[in-house]
This record gives sequence, C-alpha cells and structure tokens, in this order.
Amino acid sequence: DVVMTQSPLSLPVTLGQAASISCRSSQSLVYTAGDIYLNWFQQRPGQSPRRLIYKVSKRDSGVPDRFSGSGSGTDFTLKISRVEAEDVGVYYCMQGTQWPRITFGQGTRLEIK
Amino acid sequence: EVQMLESGGGLVQPGESLRLSCAASGFTFSGYAMSWVRQGPGKGLEWVSSISNTGSITYYADSVEGRFTISRDNSKNTLDLQMNSLRAEDTAVYYCVGGYFFDWWGQGTLVTVSS
Repeated sequence: DVVMTQSPLSLPVTLGQAASISCRSSQSLVYTAGDIYLNWFQQRPGQSPRRLIYKVSKRDSGVPDRFSGSGSGTDFTLKISRVEAEDVGVYYCMQGTQWPRITFGQGTRLEIK
Repeated sequence: EVQMLESGGGLVQPGESLRLSCAASGFTFSGYAMSWVRQGPGKGLEWVSSISNTGSITYYADSVEGRFTISRDNSKNTLDLQMNSLRAEDTAVYYCVGGYFFDWWGQGTLVTVSS
C-alpha cells in the first residue's frame, strides 16, 4: 500500500497568519491518464471529516478560497492563507490513485496559538 | 443536499457480530461507489471496505478481510456492513462514505468491542 506521510503533526498558528501542511507519498500518485488523485480533508472537533480539496488543487463547493492545494508526483501541500478560528481541527491527506486501496496520512492537528 | 445516516453501532463482546447500515440521499446512489472508513479512539482514518456502484465488486482492507461483508441495495439507497468475529481493535467510529474519491461522509456510528 502507498504510505502517506504528513508534516508537521502539530501546527500552532496565530489567527490571520498562513499555515502549510506537507504530505508525501511513498510512490508516485500519477495515474495512467496523468491525473493525480490526492485529496485533503478537514475534521473539526467532534465532527466527521469533510473533503476540502480533490485532485491536488480543486476546491470543493463551499470551501473558502483561503484554502489551496498544490503538488505533483509524491509531494503535496495544503495551504491556508489566513487562518481563522473555524479552521481548528485535524487535516488529512488521502491518496485515491490506488483505489480502492485508499490510504490516509496520519493527520495534522491545527490549533490557534 | 447529500445526506448519509449511519445506524447499527453499539457495544458487543469479542467474537460477536454487528450489522451497520447507511441510508443515503441527495445524489444518484446507484451511480457511485460507496465505502466504509473507520476511526479508532483518538486515532486517524482507516479505509475498511468499498463496493462498486452496481455492487458486483467488493474490496476489503487486510485487517477485516474474511470477517466483514459490504453490500448495497440500490433500490433502497442503502449500504450495509456485516461485521463478524469482532475484535477489540475493531472499536471505532465507522463512517459511511459516498463517491469514488470520498466526496461525502456520514456522521458516523460508534462500535465498541469489549468484554
């Protein structure tokens, strides 16, 4: 299975400042047609996960534009341009290129300083 | 609005069985693969099982292969997970997830396996 490694695992951020989470895969996530199936999820305290980003950089409906995804091959990044209080929670990357053998990163806990 | 409502969780003893169900609405259920993902207490997300949109193909994580069975009824828009020979390590919140790329998630149902 593809191993997804996130860093950092804990991310204290000041309100209004930027935040960045890295996700690395143990093998290339490029699919045969050139697509990359890398998603990002947000799990707020006490809630179920919610998809924010799919196919590396496409934002889901209703996701604020302060969230952006980038990357290629095996290295991917989720950026939050200006952190707000509602962004507190755990963020997971997930690879779908090896569907159905989906794998998730360990999660990154974002907290407000 | 997409909604997925899980049910069937509870407390069982090791070796016992439990059946989870998920009622989906707000999207063309028969057009999408469906999955179960679980989250142990204080832990991350773990893929458990997936089923193709027609129900003809099923997939399982190694940790549940041979013990869990996923099924769906496209006439009722429901997804099930039959869990047999439960172990303490199966204790988790189980999420019903819709879409090939995990587009939609339910609120989860808690399964506790303990003597």
